[in-house]
Amino acid sequence: AAGVIQSPRHLIKEKRETATLKCYPIPRHDTVYWYQQGPGQDPQFLISFYEKMQSDKGSIPDRFSAQQFSDYHSELNMSSLELGDSALYFCASSSGTTGETQYFGPGTRLLVL
Amino acid sequence: AQKITQTQPGMFVQEKEAVTLDCTYDTSDPSYGLFWYKQPSSGEMIFLIYQGSYDQQNATEGRYSLNFQKARKSANLVISASQLGDSAMYFCAMRVSPGTASKLTFGTGTRLQVTL
Repeated sequence: AAGVIQSPRHLIKEKRETATLKCYPIPRHDTVYWYQQGPGQDPQFLISFYEKMQSDKGSIPDRFSAQQFSDYHSELNMSSLELGDSALYFCASSSGTTGETQYFGPGTRLLVL
Repeated sequence: AQKITQTQPGMFVQEKEAVTLDCTYDTSDPSYGLFWYKQPSSGEMIFLIYQGSYDQQNATEGRYSLNFQKARKSANLVISASQLGDSAMYFCAMRVSPGTASKLTFGTGTRLQVTL
């Protein structure tokens, strides 16, 4: 079965640089979520989209923005990167009409130097 | 606000034995969903099992079962016949207002080590 695809899988950036993470949900899933997991921590919710509209917002820094496109893929844009942004970033998807289970992608491991 | 508590930072179990991972939750919302995810050392987050707040029966998925005690607000994961591949971090999570694109709130996790 098709899973959530995230790219890139690994990313190394310098402080103050920008990064763009991409997420391709499971086919026919209309809802996308972004989570951030710091080292040794549990995942923290950043933001979600349903049918291309922002639906819920968590502790997402103002330096971060995200959107969901017409083909339902989503991008998380991160600017003015800080050392503390180093983390595993997960995208998850679900089907808003048939179930509520969120299926996670493999994650993007971001290292800010 | 909703909260998930996992009080066992680490657990050991022998291969082929059963193990219970504890999870308690707190929410004032009458409609919620409870989830367990497995995170191996490779980092991916794997969905294991789901229990809805209105479900009458405990959820089961193969070797995984969820011991749902609503009055006690607990949702413990039971893994039967443990295998070496079960060694991983296990997260309990909750979602209120199911049916909307609302967030999962996670517990701090339990690291399970399966030994020979």
